[in-house]
Amino acid sequence: QQQVKQSPQSLIVQKGGISIINCAYENTAFDYFPWYQQFPGKGPALLIAIRPDVSEKKEGRFTISFNKSAKQFSLHIMDSQPGDSATYFCAASDPTNFGNEKLTFGTGTRLTIIP
Amino acid sequence: SQTIHQWPATLVQPVGSPLSLECTVEGTSNPNLYWYRQAAGRGLQLLFYSVGIGQISSEVPQNLSASRPQDRQFILSSKKLLLSDSGFYLCAWGPRGVKTQYFGPGTRLLVL
Repeated sequence: QQQVKQSPQSLIVQKGGISIINCAYENTAFDYFPWYQQFPGKGPALLIAIRPDVSEKKEGRFTISFNKSAKQFSLHIMDSQPGDSATYFCAASDPTNFGNEKLTFGTGTRLTIIP
Repeated sequence: SQTIHQWPATLVQPVGSPLSLECTVEGTSNPNLYWYRQAAGRGLQLLFYSVGIGQISSEVPQNLSASRPQDRQFILSSKKLLLSDSGFYLCAWGPRGVKTQYFGPGTRLLVL
């Protein structure tokens, strides 16, 4: 019940296109959903995050769409650029672990933007 | 502003040798601290987390251990490395009561 399932495993998108990465979860108690971006050889960096009381959050070209009833959330990258080529991880927070705020991560999506 | 440091950046060690990786956080106090391992092309596996000095919780049984001797210092250790310990080790911190985690630059460990 602690799993977060992420798809696709890899994604190739043309420059200027929309990149869409999906995550699904089972634990309805999850209450915080961040996305991380990781470049090769670097640590993941927080990209954008959402709480279940809103259905969408946008920051620049990055948008999280959240569907509470379907237990799904997705990352949309508009006008995708070669610099967006990276591995993206979704995650969810388990609120029952008060005091340490553990995150459950998806398995990652390797995004490649081609010219 | 807060900064997280990890060292060394890269480490090559023979099988059976000891290990000590260090992580320190600046600009905050009483953070939650985490150690993750990432195998090549894989996801993030939580190894240990700590909510305070001397308080360590283990997520995965293995030949690794963690310690938190100071509020903003987190150490990952092993007495005898295995080949399977190779990977990218990431330290992360999070403010107490806040769900966000911030990752360090990582240490790439190769056990030969």
